[in-house]
Amino acid sequence: EDQVTQSPEALRLQEGESSSLNCSYTVSGLRGLFWYRQDPGKGPEFLFTLYSAGEEKEKERLKATLTKKESFLHITAPKPEDSATYLCAVQASGTYKYIFGTGTRLKVLA
Amino acid sequence: EAQVTQNPRYLITVTGKKLTVTCSQNMNHEYMSWYRQDPGLGLRQIYYSMNVEVTDKGDVPEGYKVSRKEKRNFPLILESPSPNQTSLYFCASSFGGQTREYNEQFFGPGTRLTVL
Repeated sequence: EDQVTQSPEALRLQEGESSSLNCSYTVSGLRGLFWYRQDPGKGPEFLFTLYSAGEEKEKERLKATLTKKESFLHITAPKPEDSATYLCAVQASGTYKYIFGTGTRLKVLA
Repeated sequence: EAQVTQNPRYLITVTGKKLTVTCSQNMNHEYMSWYRQDPGLGLRQIYYSMNVEVTDKGDVPEGYKVSRKEKRNFPLILESPSPNQTSLYFCASSFGGQTREYNEQFFGPGTRLTVL
């Protein structure tokens, strides 16, 4: 069964304290892995798509990486405005369904 | 402005009273989808549509219906709502599944549904 697990569930960081969020997945062939950011009361906002192991993408303080079993979202020198829930999703080969993880709630303290 | 719109944003109803939540996108996207979001369970896909007249079940389709008669609209229908359908619902759209570079989904603002 296709599955996505995110850890930790919640993370508190001091401003400037770098860290990583984990997304482990089990799918029978990966079409794509997606990272989204969700602010309270709003719809998820797209961050990155990764397609194959070894791929990396960056945007400001965020960097996403992908292996055959997991993806990491690295946050470098975070700021309070980076506080949000970060969601990981996968789409398996041969299907157009999306499977989301339950997210990591990130709080960055000033 | 490119966007996905949903209506209503908030709805309180009673068990068994049919309701429709509308979703519309102005980006000429082929793929549209409905999700529900519940605490501790995350986002779960209800139904999706690859194009007009083409729909398929997600992971939690029971109790829901959809139709895709026009490319821009994808309404979610609850024919006999029950309290376990109380949730936050999101509509999303993307360019489609055929070309992987266009798989990023754009989400609407959400509809908070309470079924008493």
